[in-house]
Amino acid sequence: NAGVTQTPKFQVLKTGQSMTLQCAQDMNHEYMSWYRQDPGMGLRLIHYSVGAGITDQGEVPNGYNVSRSTTEDFPLRLLSAAPSQTSVYFCASSYEGQENEKLFFGSGTQLSVL
Amino acid sequence: KNQVEQSPQSLIILEGKNCTLQCNYTVSPFSNLRWYKQDTGRGPVSLTIMTFSENTKSNGRYTATLDADTKQSSLHITASQLSDSASYICVVSPPMEYGNKLVFGAGTILRVKS
Repeated sequence: NAGVTQTPKFQVLKTGQSMTLQCAQDMNHEYMSWYRQDPGMGLRLIHYSVGAGITDQGEVPNGYNVSRSTTEDFPLRLLSAAPSQTSVYFCASSYEGQENEKLFFGSGTQLSVL
Repeated sequence: KNQVEQSPQSLIILEGKNCTLQCNYTVSPFSNLRWYKQDTGRGPVSLTIMTFSENTKSNGRYTATLDADTKQSSLHITASQLSDSASYICVVSPPMEYGNKLVFGAGTILRVKS
């Protein structure tokens, strides 16, 4: 059982470039989300989805787009990378996104924007 | 503003010793409080989830306590092992806003040395 899979593990971009971070889960979870983790700060929610075709913004959505065409996949797109987007990105999922459900995280993508 | 503060920022202990990590929060009301373990280069993994009505929850050598009156939680690690070296993250969830309102602490970095 793979759980939540993120690719790539590492990525270096130049300012202005675009890219897509991939996230897939094989647990048939309805709820999926993207977080960024910066030094000395707690994880911050970028975007989330409660099911295929449904997405919403989190705390720090600017500069990022998401879509949810299938239950399994939830890609995060950086439209025009900026140095402020240098961070570690985590995808997470849970069964339905209810209050007391355990949240499962991927292993992260370390992104550097030069 | 909802906040979660963790202390200490970092901690070094000898293998076999016990330790206690602290979490203070201002989220009120809240639905549940979670502790996660994050190994270097990996995503967070759930250790415990406590609802507002629970005082303690154990997971092997990890025991979390919760005092909703003082808005404090602690994570006690017994007989530490080298594999306990990680960052420990406290997360508080307001009611009925799972996913879009989780409040993450910045974590306590624990190093267990032989």
